[in-house]
Amino acid sequence: GNSVTQMEGPVTLSEEAFLTINCTYTATGYPSLFWYVQYPGEGLQLLLKATKADDKGSNKGFEATYRKETTSFHLEKGSVQVSDSAVYFCALPNTGRRALTFGSGTRLQVQP
Amino acid sequence: GAGVSQSPSNKVTEKGKDVELRCDPISGHTALYWYRQSLGQGLEFLIYFQGNSAPDKSGLPSDRFSAERTGGSVSTLTIQRTQQEDSAVYLCASSLVEGSSSYEQYFGPGTRLTVT
Repeated sequence: GNSVTQMEGPVTLSEEAFLTINCTYTATGYPSLFWYVQYPGEGLQLLLKATKADDKGSNKGFEATYRKETTSFHLEKGSVQVSDSAVYFCALPNTGRRALTFGSGTRLQVQP
Repeated sequence: GAGVSQSPSNKVTEKGKDVELRCDPISGHTALYWYRQSLGQGLEFLIYFQGNSAPDKSGLPSDRFSAERTGGSVSTLTIQRTQQEDSAVYLCASSLVEGSSSYEQYFGPGTRLTVT
């Protein structure tokens, strides 16, 4: 079935640093791709999505481009803030069902 | 508008007891999902409801787990004879499915279950 692989964390950055969290996927066809974020003590929130190849999803300064050539959906932000400290999950629909398959999550810690 | 709500937010139970976890999806969302988030297993799909169709139970880890959805809205996840390995955060999500190809899901805050 469809699957995602995320880079291991934690990722520790200083404020205003550039962020990349890698995500690669294996899928049948070209399903929608998602990044979810989980802030400390809170539930999962959709951060951004891309519904077809070459689409770029963006929100709150974060971006990710759906690249079918490299089967990747890397998350990027040009200048992180302390408030971005959270766990980030890459996800896609599982084959044959509408549930999502999530990556293992990457914890981001931003230091002032 | 109101998001997905779950209750209780925390539940501590003794091994062998039954527990019920509740989920109220976003009004108008036809699809409802249960997931489990644990340290060793990450985020796992448990069960999916869509309208009046038979639920997809393929993610339930054992027959001690069951779920129902009444009136196409509220859902209850029941765990019978709880075991320590059931300790996790149980997440509920809902989505609009008909006419939607994006599978965008909205999550509740979760119920943290601790089995002692």
